[in-house]
Amino acid sequence: TQLLEQSPQFLSIQEGENLTVYCNSSSVFSSLQWYRQEPGEGPVLLVTVVTGGEVKKLKRLTFQFGDARKDSSLHITAAQPGDTGLYLCAGPRAGYALNFGKGTSLLVTP
Amino acid sequence: NAGVTQTPKFQVLKTGQSMTLQCAQDMNHNSMYWYRQDPGMGLRLIYYSASEGTTDKGEVPNGYNVSRLNKREFSLRLESAAPSQTSVYFCASSDRVPETQYFGPGTRLLVL
Repeated sequence: TQLLEQSPQFLSIQEGENLTVYCNSSSVFSSLQWYRQEPGEGPVLLVTVVTGGEVKKLKRLTFQFGDARKDSSLHITAAQPGDTGLYLCAGPRAGYALNFGKGTSLLVTP
Repeated sequence: NAGVTQTPKFQVLKTGQSMTLQCAQDMNHNSMYWYRQDPGMGLRLIYYSASEGTTDKGEVPNGYNVSRLNKREFSLRLESAAPSQTSVYFCASSDRVPETQYFGPGTRLLVL
């Protein structure tokens, strides 16, 4: 099993602040995905990155895939309370399933 | 378009009881998955079905069985529930590479 380590585990910030969360592995991945999970719901895909060095933007969220395809980061600019949730990174494994990191739990307070 | 549906939403069992968690998807996806989510442990794969007629074990299959009833439905059975199986169970489906997985809302199971 290819392990994905996410940091920090918890993050509590005020509205308007910037933040970055990380997803690291010792293994090379063909792609990495980021999901967001809100309380009481299932995870929802935010983005897939497939090329080393790739940067993707989704409104105030910026995702980067490391050049060696072993790590990824998610940067949120001017966080809002609606960004609160659990952020999960995931990489492919055999049988089209995914290996998930343990997640970063983000709380944004007004 | 309902996506992935799961039943029941909540369940309380006594140790030793059995139950089946139901999952259905209406997106014509080939692959379906069962995960469990526990605090501090993330999502862990229990079983998956890459296509209709096939099932394979994931990371934590002990104590569970699955059935891919048809292309739409994938059920998870606990034959003799144990307190260690208290968790939130998510079903997911996917069809493309890289695999975008679509998750159901989850089943919250408490085993006493």
